[in-house]
Amino acid sequence: SQQGEEDPQALSIQEGENATMNCSYKTSINNLQWYRQNSGRGLVHLILIRSNEREKHSGRLRVTLDTSKKSSSLLITASRAADTASYFCATGNRDDKIIFGKGTRLHILP
Amino acid sequence: DAGITQSPRHKVTETGTPVTLRCHQTENHRYMYWYRQDPGHGLRLIHYSYGVKDTDKGEVSDGYSVSRSKTEDFLLTLESATSSQTSVYFCAIRTGLDYNEQFFGPGTRLTVL
Repeated sequence: SQQGEEDPQALSIQEGENATMNCSYKTSINNLQWYRQNSGRGLVHLILIRSNEREKHSGRLRVTLDTSKKSSSLLITASRAADTASYFCATGNRDDKIIFGKGTRLHILP
Repeated sequence: DAGITQSPRHKVTETGTPVTLRCHQTENHRYMYWYRQDPGHGLRLIHYSYGVKDTDKGEVSDGYSVSRSKTEDFLLTLESATSSQTSVYFCAIRTGLDYNEQFFGPGTRLTVL
C-alpha cells in the first residue's frame, strides 16, 4: 500500500524560481528519502532525512521533516531546466523495504 | 560506484508466454529489489532478496516469481504473462548500510499483447 503521497501531482515554474513539493505519510517512520526520475530513466537518490532530524541541505536542495504532522517538503532553489523530472518521496522503517509515493512531476519553463 | 544492468531493456510478448527479466549488479550488495512502475501508481515492490536464495514478497507479488542463485544476479519471472503486467520494471540495490538508500537500474519496458 502507498505510504507517501506527494503534493502537488504536477508543478510548472519559471527557470530561476524555487520549487516546493510536499510528501505526507500515514505511519511512523525511521527515515524519509527523496528521489528524482528523469524521463525514461531509473530513480536517483537525492537525500535522506532521519526521523530525529528536522531539516537537511544538499546543494540547492532543502528537505524538512515534521514527524508530528507526518509530512516532509523538498525545496529546490534557483531551478534549472535540468531539474525537470519527477520527484518521489520514500519512507523507510526498521525493515528491508522502503515505500514510494506516486510522485510530483516538475516542469521548469525557460 | 554501484552498477546495475537490466536485460532486456525492451520486450514485447504475448499473453500466456513466460518472461524472465534479469538484473545484474557489479558489486556484492546483499539486498536487491524488483519494482514495477505504472502511471498513477508510482513504484510498487514486487519481490526482494536479502541474500542468495533468500527472497520475500512485496506489495504486488501475485503472478511473479524470483530467483537469486548468486549474489550478482536477481531474476524476475512472469510464468504466464498477462496484459495487466505491461509495465516498466526496475531493479534496485540497497547501497546504504544504516538506512535503506537504493540505487536503481535503467529499467525494462515490457509490453504484453
